[in-house]
Amino acid sequence: SQQGEEDPQALSIQEGENATMNCSYKTSINNLQWYRQNSGRGLVHLILIRSNEREKHSGRLRVTLDTSKKSSSLLITASRAADTASYFCATSTSYGKLTFGQGTILTVHP
Amino acid sequence: GAGVSQSPSNKVTEKGKDVELRCDPISGHTALYWYRQSLGQGLEFLIYFQGNSAPDKSGLPSDRFSAERTGGSVSTLTIQRTQQEDSAVYLCASSLERVRNEQFFGPGTRLTVL
Repeated sequence: SQQGEEDPQALSIQEGENATMNCSYKTSINNLQWYRQNSGRGLVHLILIRSNEREKHSGRLRVTLDTSKKSSSLLITASRAADTASYFCATSTSYGKLTFGQGTILTVHP
Repeated sequence: GAGVSQSPSNKVTEKGKDVELRCDPISGHTALYWYRQSLGQGLEFLIYFQGNSAPDKSGLPSDRFSAERTGGSVSTLTIQRTQQEDSAVYLCASSLERVRNEQFFGPGTRLTVL
């Protein structure tokens, strides 16, 4: 079963704009990860944020985590056409396995 | 610096046949995971292996599914008597540790059951 829900399901923006995707989850977690998927194949790890962290940056990516609200957001700044992909949040408990959200399809128009 | 590799990349089979999917994790990674992705169900956990511990099989959808990990490295996912609903992309991932580290995914095997 899917732990997380992602919002929006689809997002269409112009190159240079920022893209924000949200993820909510239901149970306590050890960490939350964001992945990107192109063309329905392999997932690429983007960033991991631990449950005791509130914000993390990696290049043009900024992730926040609010454990009290059981939610996270992924911000991609200054988007590029190459950022077009599906983005998934995934939560990990002390168990290790990942539980994925349904994903957000991001389209960046040149 | 090879990543996770999977074979075959595509597999077409007839209903009722058995299939084997292979995963080569990143060298030194102790944890190995199998997931599948289908249109109706999204990304689902199937099974994971951690070192020499007993695998967690809680995500396997039926007893037609099984997996092995030999020598703590290569893993094989076997689906017996395939059904059309088994059609999906099967993804393998590995990580250094069970809990803290990110998982690195292979390119997946696209299975089509006719």
